Amino acid sequence: SQQGEEDPQALSIQEGENATMNCSYKTSINNLQWYRQNSGRGLVHLILIRSNEREKHSGRLRVTLDTSKKSSSLLITASRAADTASYFCATDAGSNYKLTFGKGTLLTVNP
Amino acid sequence: SQTIHQWPATLVQPVGSPLSLECTVEGTSNPNLYWYRQAAGRGLQLLFYSVGIGQISSEVPQNLSASRPQDRQFILSSKKLLLSDSGFYLCAWSEGLAYEQYFGPGTRLTVT
Repeated sequence: SQQGEEDPQALSIQEGENATMNCSYKTSINNLQWYRQNSGRGLVHLILIRSNEREKHSGRLRVTLDTSKKSSSLLITASRAADTASYFCATDAGSNYKLTFGKGTLLTVNP
Repeated sequence: SQTIHQWPATLVQPVGSPLSLECTVEGTSNPNLYWYRQAAGRGLQLLFYSVGIGQISSEVPQNLSASRPQDRQFILSSKKLLLSDSGFYLCAWSEGLAYEQYFGPGTRLTVT
C-alpha cells in the first residue's frame, strides 16, 4: 500500500487563486518531500520538510507538517497557468534511502 | 551544476525483445542512484537503487535487472520484455541518504 496518499486526486482552479493539496501517511517519517511533474516529464523537487519542522516556505509555496495527524499540506498561492502539473508527496517511512511516493494530485490552473 | 541524462526518450519494443536504458549523472561523485517506473495515472514504484559501483538493491522481483558499471552510470536491462513492462521509466540521483532526489527526463517504453 502507498505510504503517502494525496488528496484531492484532481483540482481545477482559476489563475490567481490559491491551491491546497494534502498528503497523509501511515508510519513515522524522518522527512516529507513534495515534487512536481509536468506531463510526460521527470519530477522536480520542490521542498523538503523534516519531522521536527511544522512549516516551511519557498517562494509561493507553503508546506505544513502535522506529525500527530500524519499529514502534510502544500499551498500554492496566487497560482499561474504554469503551475499546472501533478504534485506528489514522498516520505522516507523511517528508512534512510527509500522514498515512497503517493499517486499525486493533478492540478489544473485555468487562465 | 549537476545534470542527469536518460536515453532514449521513447522506445517501442516487441514482447520478448531485450531492453537497455541508460542513465548518467554529471557534476557529482558517488551519488545514490535510483530507477523508478510510473504507470499511467499512478505514483512511482522504486525498482532498484544503488549506493556505489556494483552495489544494486532490488525492490521488486521481476524480469528487470540493473547494473552500475561506473560511478555515475546506471543501466536498466531486461533479457525478454513483457507487455506489463510498458511504462514511464525514471532515473534519479541523490547526494546522500534521505536527501532530495533529482530526476532525469524519463523514458517512455511501450511493449507491443
